[in-house]
Amino acid sequence: RKEVEQDPGPFNVPEGATVAFNCTYSNSASQSFFWYRQDCRKEPKLLMSVYSSGNEDGRFTAQLNRASQYISLLIRDSKLSDSATYLCVVINNAGNMLTFGGGTRLMVKP
Amino acid sequence: EPEVTQTPSHQVTQMGQEVILRCVPISNHLYFYWYRQILGQKVEFLVSFYNNEISEKSEIFDDQFSVERPDGSNFTLKIRSTKLEDSAMYFCASMRGTGQPQHFGDGTRLSIL
Repeated sequence: RKEVEQDPGPFNVPEGATVAFNCTYSNSASQSFFWYRQDCRKEPKLLMSVYSSGNEDGRFTAQLNRASQYISLLIRDSKLSDSATYLCVVINNAGNMLTFGGGTRLMVKP
Repeated sequence: EPEVTQTPSHQVTQMGQEVILRCVPISNHLYFYWYRQILGQKVEFLVSFYNNEISEKSEIFDDQFSVERPDGSNFTLKIRSTKLEDSAMYFCASMRGTGQPQHFGDGTRLSIL
């Protein structure tokens, strides 16, 4: 089983749509969780940290379910500029190395 | 906003040659990392560095790889004898403290011929 698993997509949505991405992780000792976005051939950029209580940053909402080892990202009112690959990232208890999912590709169309 | 910088942006090297990839982490960060991403694949951890020593490394980081922080600002990744399969984007990242987000440089594209 992959350590961090994501649906690769692509998700093709119209502008203004709401879209949700899911991610599962296999290591129950994982301690920190993040969503990064990566544009084509660019570096990963931090989108938001994910907290147990859930957290929101503008149009973006992240949720964590430790019991199910499941993380989600909701994007409301999608913009063309949201088109990117969204990376689910986990830090396990053994150290600070980031373990990346394969990413979910989002394409927002006019 | 402070950022991680990497040089060169693109390196083309003959197989068997040595390469050194350079990174300048964010100045008040204490943890440093190298990751790589083969085209079309996921980002993979190579090595972490803290307090002037390697704290963790992956299976990819074999005897051909080494890291250094020679002068308190630069953080380098050396590949001694490059192979075709070393072709990838190499990202440097730094982090202020445990559990904090890691910030990535914009990468060095390494092409081995």
